[in-house]
Amino acid sequence: GQNIDQPTEMTATEGAIVQINCTYQTSGFNGLFWYQQHAGEAPTFLSYNVLDGLEEKGRFSSFLSRSKGYSYLLLKELQMKDSASYLCAVVDSNYQLIWGAGTKLIIKP
Amino acid sequence: ETGVTQTPRHLVMGMTNKKSLKCEQHLGHNAMYWYKQSAKKPLELMFVYNFKEQTENNSVPSRFSPECPNSSHLFLHLHTLQPEDSALYLCASSQGDRDRGYEKLFFGSGTQLSVL
Repeated sequence: GQNIDQPTEMTATEGAIVQINCTYQTSGFNGLFWYQQHAGEAPTFLSYNVLDGLEEKGRFSSFLSRSKGYSYLLLKELQMKDSASYLCAVVDSNYQLIWGAGTKLIIKP
Repeated sequence: ETGVTQTPRHLVMGMTNKKSLKCEQHLGHNAMYWYKQSAKKPLELMFVYNFKEQTENNSVPSRFSPECPNSSHLFLHLHTLQPEDSALYLCASSQGDRDRGYEKLFFGSGTQLSVL
């Protein structure tokens, strides 16, 4: 079967750096998405990786290793507003989107 | 503001009620989706409409009935639901250009449904 694994919950301190990991086992690979979802709000697009390597976008970066079936989302200079759930999703060979259960990130002052 | 609006935001219904969820997108997209989000579980794709045609139905029980009258509007009609159907129901849209491969989704804020 197809599977996406990410930690259920993480806690970090304001101003620090946190890395949220996502590992996947899917039938084929056509890209990986990260979405952010604040409580009670819509998930919003953060990043899309289809090639290996690191993509940086301001305070957020996303890394992909296709050979290892692994991605991470790196958040720098954490702010209280970064408290949210972070959803990892992989596009498989049939262009179906396979979702992880999400990582709830709690930022403490 | 994502450009996708869902109403109502919250809904409480009994198991014998009939209700409808509404989704409207203002992005000019051609594909619309219904997802179910339960606590600590992955998003579950329910239905996909592409250019107003239903292209996916992921074995969803018939007590959920989608309707897509045009590419901007999507409804989910609910009847005789069960308590386990309580969840957040998310609508999403995407460009729907089949030649571009997979595209990012724009989500609404969802309808939090409680079935008593």
